[in-house]
Amino acid sequence: GAVVSQHPSWVICKSGTSVKIECRSLDFQATTMFWYRQFPKQSLMLMATSNEGSKATYEQGVEKDKFLINHASLTLSTLTVTSAHPEDSSFYICSVFSDYGYTFGSGTRLTVV
Amino acid sequence: GEDVEQSLFLSVREGDSSVINCTYTDSSSTYLYWYKQEPGAGLQLLTYIFSNMDMKQDQRLTVLLNKKDKHLSLRIADTQTGDSAIYFCAEPLSGYSTLTFGKGTMLLVSP
Repeated sequence: GAVVSQHPSWVICKSGTSVKIECRSLDFQATTMFWYRQFPKQSLMLMATSNEGSKATYEQGVEKDKFLINHASLTLSTLTVTSAHPEDSSFYICSVFSDYGYTFGSGTRLTVV
Repeated sequence: GEDVEQSLFLSVREGDSSVINCTYTDSSSTYLYWYKQEPGAGLQLLTYIFSNMDMKQDQRLTVLLNKKDKHLSLRIADTQTGDSAIYFCAEPLSGYSTLTFGKGTMLLVSP
């Protein structure tokens, strides 16, 4: 099946700094990738749909200027949390849809201190 | 919006069967999915069922689908401590090529 690699697995950053999370599709060219956010003991909430070569589509309530998404190639999408604050601390997961169905990255635990 | 509902917690003893229930909303969903999430990890696809099926069995896993009631269940036979995790049911989000998830059922298996 499709293999999705997400990096880093966890990151701790200071309030006000920016953090970049990478999502790579290792064996599949993904024109579309999805970014989810998961708060503790909560379900996954779709944040945005990342489209290769064009602007991302953000879900209602997600600040596009805060969560910058770049999908510059068919195998890489990045999510940058800008000017991070403690309330941005969460688990971020990317996903691709291929002939093998929906495949998820291993997730990134972001802690903002 | 669409809501996928699940019970939040299930506790069983090792060796027993576990049944996790889910209700979904979109009757046009072609596939329905079950994912497993271990602590601090991403989601692992456990199994899925096509909407024209009533049941699917895959080793220790049995999925039952009641389309009339929009009810989906996952049965894990001979539950092991390694099965302790959060289980999410999911259906395709109408109009999108992504999924909407239930809140997840935490399965705790005790020795």
